[in-house]
Formats: sequence, C-alpha cells, structure tokens
Amino acid sequence: DTEVTQTPKHLVMGMTNKKSLKCEQHMGHRAMYWYKQKAKKPPELMFVYSYEKLSINESVPSRFSPECPNSSLLNLHLHALQPEDSALYLCASRPGGRTDGYTFGSGTRLTVV
Amino acid sequence: AQSVTQLDSQVPVFEEAPVELRCNYSSSVSVYLFWYVQYPNQGLQLLLKYLSGSTLVKGINGFEAEFNKSQTSFHLRKPSVHISDTAEYFCAVSPNAGNNRKLIWGLGTSLAVNP
Repeated sequence: DTEVTQTPKHLVMGMTNKKSLKCEQHMGHRAMYWYKQKAKKPPELMFVYSYEKLSINESVPSRFSPECPNSSLLNLHLHALQPEDSALYLCASRPGGRTDGYTFGSGTRLTVV
Repeated sequence: AQSVTQLDSQVPVFEEAPVELRCNYSSSVSVYLFWYVQYPNQGLQLLLKYLSGSTLVKGINGFEAEFNKSQTSFHLRKPSVHISDTAEYFCAVSPNAGNNRKLIWGLGTSLAVNP
C-alpha cells in the first residue's frame, strides 16, 4: 500500500458545526502533515506529527485541532470555522528521519458556509 | 533560510511542443529539490526529485529536470506535451540536513496545453 487516504473528499459545514477530517497511511511512515491549500497557491504547512507527537504547529488558530491516535492515522478536528477557512486540506506522510519521499493524499475540499 | 522562485506563473503551449518550466532557488545550505504536479481537483503528485548524484533526473510521464548548482536552478522539461499535462506544477526544496527540513514551495506554474 503506497497511498495516503483522506476522507471525506468533500465537506460542507456551517460555522457552528463540528466536523473531522481523516487521513490514513499504511506505509510505516513516521512523519505526518496537514497542509491547507487555496486555489492556484502552494500548500501551507499547518501541523507536523513526528513519531505520533506534535512537533510543529505553524501558529494555526485553535479552531483547528490535530490528533494522531496511532502511527497510521491523523485527524483534523474542525470547530467554529470561518468562510475564509474554505480550502483544500491535504495530508502527507514521509518516512521518519528522511526529507525525501513525501506522499500526499488527494485532499478534502472544505467549504464553510 | 530557503526560497524558491518559479519564473513563469502561466505557460501556454501547443500539444506536441516542447516545454520548460523554470525554477530557481536560494539557500545557504545544501538542499533536496522536487517537482510536484497537481491536476485539477486533485492532490499533489511527485514528478521527480534530486537528492544527489547525476544532475539529470528523469521522472514520471516523460518529464526530466536538470540540477544546476552554479545557477541554483532546477528547470523541468518535456520534449512533447499532451493535453493531459495541463496542470499546476510546483517546485519545492528542503534542506538535506539539520532539524528543520520543511518543504519550501514556489508559487506554482500553470501549464495549459492547447490542441
């Protein structure tokens, strides 16, 4: 299995809703990432988990809450989002201790109404 | 710190023509270099990467890139493009040592292949 699987593919949520994005990989990668991407822009790093511990938080608002329940799974919990949070949310993973070999999921297209 | 400049934001080209997408970078340390492609409404896919060794790197879908250390460039080329190559292309770099190995991205080049 050489994929990063993200669910759901599309999500529409109201500003008072709570929802979660899910990311799963079974490649044994020990670093996992959340990125946010606006249309025609490069991805922006949000969070990095290394060996299941949060190692980087790029000053992301607290309405985004990451969770890494185990080495294969990464969640992003969403609460009280704003319309400007609408974007493509990408998950990525790579083998621990190496810079190369990032694998990206196909993303969750989030719309906040 | 590192930075990446993709010199063309949009590149229109006719089908079966050659194409070059330009990428220059700045870094005080040695880096790894990457090209990613993003097809409409999809995630990012690695096209090719330079880690070390031969400066000419071949990737998927007939793409290749050449690492030029003196000019700090990593231009992407394809001798004959197809309609299906229409996509957004991102160049990225990452330090190859140290604790901070985040990917640093260029702003992207939108390749439009016309019939």
